Amino acid sequence: SAVISQKPSRDICQRGTSLTIQCQVDSQVTMMFWYRQQPGQSLTLIATANQGSEATYESGFVIDKFPISRPNLTFSTLTVSNMSPEDSSIYLCSVSLSYEQYFGPGTRLTVT
Amino acid sequence: AQTVTQSQPEMSVQEAETVTLSCTYDTSENNYYLFWYKQPPSRQMILVIRQEAYKQQNATENRFSVNFQKAAKSFSLKISDSQLGDTAMYFCAFMKLPNTGNQFYFGTGTSLTVIP
Repeated sequence: SAVISQKPSRDICQRGTSLTIQCQVDSQVTMMFWYRQQPGQSLTLIATANQGSEATYESGFVIDKFPISRPNLTFSTLTVSNMSPEDSSIYLCSVSLSYEQYFGPGTRLTVT
Repeated sequence: AQTVTQSQPEMSVQEAETVTLSCTYDTSENNYYLFWYKQPPSRQMILVIRQEAYKQQNATENRFSVNFQKAAKSFSLKISDSQLGDTAMYFCAFMKLPNTGNQFYFGTGTSLTVIP
C-alpha cells in the first residue's frame, strides 16, 4: 500500500496569485498523478508526473497554468498559477502501486 | 476510449438494510481492473473493493460485494447491513492494463446517505 500526504490541506487565495501544493508518498513510485475535483463532481486527471521527465498533461490543462515538478520518486508539486475563482477545487495527488490507485487527502483551494 | 457510467446520482438506505449501487462501463479491452472507491465527507478517497476482469468470481470484502457481469459490462456494488459510516460518495473506476498513465477512468459518482 501507499500513504500519501499533501500540503496544504486547504487554502484561500487571492485572484491572480499562485499556490504550490506538495505531495509526499511513503514509497518510491514511478508515476504520480494530479487530479482536480470540482464541487460535487468526479475526478479529472490534470497530468501524469514521471521522475526525470516532463509531466504529461491531459487535454484542457497546460504547463503554464499547472507547472509540475517531480524531483525524486517520492515527491511532487503542483502549482496553480494566476488563479481565478474557476480554479476553486479540490486537488488530489495519486499514485499507482500494485494495480491499485491510492489518493492523498486532497487540498481544498478557494480563490476569491 | 473507456467510459464509466453511474446512473444513480443519489441514493439512500435505512441503517442495517442492503443497498446496491450500479455501474456500467464501455471498453474494447480484455485486460483491466474495476474498482469501487468511497469518498466520505472528509474527502479522503478510500478503496472499497477491486475486481480483476479475468476472474469470474465476484470480489467480496466484509459487508461489500460486487456483481461483475463481464459480458454485460456491469459492475454493481452491494453494501449489506448498511452503517452510518457508509455515508459517502461512491465512485466506480476502470483501469486499463498496463497502467502507463492516463488509463484510470472514474464514473460521476453516487452519493449514498444511510438514514438512522
